Amino acid sequence: EPEVTQTPSHQVTQMGQEVILRCVPISNHLYFYWYRQILGQKVEFLVSFYNNEISEKSEIFDDQFSVERPDGSNFTLKIRSTKLEDSAMYFCASIMGIAKNIQYFGAGTRLSVL
Amino acid sequence: AQTVTQSQPEMSVQEAETVTLSCTYDTSESDYYLFWYKQPPSRQMILVIRQEAYKQQNATENRFSVNFQKAAKSFSLKISDSQLGDAAMYFCAYRITNFGNEKLTFGTGTRLTIIP
Repeated sequence: EPEVTQTPSHQVTQMGQEVILRCVPISNHLYFYWYRQILGQKVEFLVSFYNNEISEKSEIFDDQFSVERPDGSNFTLKIRSTKLEDSAMYFCASIMGIAKNIQYFGAGTRLSVL
Repeated sequence: AQTVTQSQPEMSVQEAETVTLSCTYDTSESDYYLFWYKQPPSRQMILVIRQEAYKQQNATENRFSVNFQKAAKSFSLKISDSQLGDAAMYFCAYRITNFGNEKLTFGTGTRLTIIP
């Protein structure tokens, strides 16, 4: 069964450094998402992406965050200058289309900011 | 804004017994989807079951079923014949169906423990 792949599984970085989290959505999917889960808390929506542009973003997704789909297969989340509070699990998800309503999640990337 | 509430932070059940996890939500929309996702210790989010709001029939998937009460805005998950592999965090999630607004709104989760 096709799946969403995220790399790396665990990323450790120093505060102030830039990180890029990578995702390979399911190949025929058109809509892409990033969610965040701080340890022990609920999963929160960050951003949705369609047709090479952001469809919606939450208040969490400030100017430090950016997303892009550089080559038609990867979908990346960049955090420009990481803060301690960015430490969390980051999930990528994808969906085929509006009528196909199941979001498939990757296994997540655990980001630890020291 | 839509909200999802899971009032049971933790639940436990004996293996082979039945357990029900509660979820309520608040929305002014009439057309939407509801989901239960399972998050085992590996932390991957796995879809358990989904329900379309326009369908009156409750969804079932093998040992998993829901009790969807649209007027009460309630969406509980029943797990029958609980197995050790069911131990996980369970998140209730909501999504409206408007074009371009596909994000999921999650509840805070219920940690389910299976007692052998």
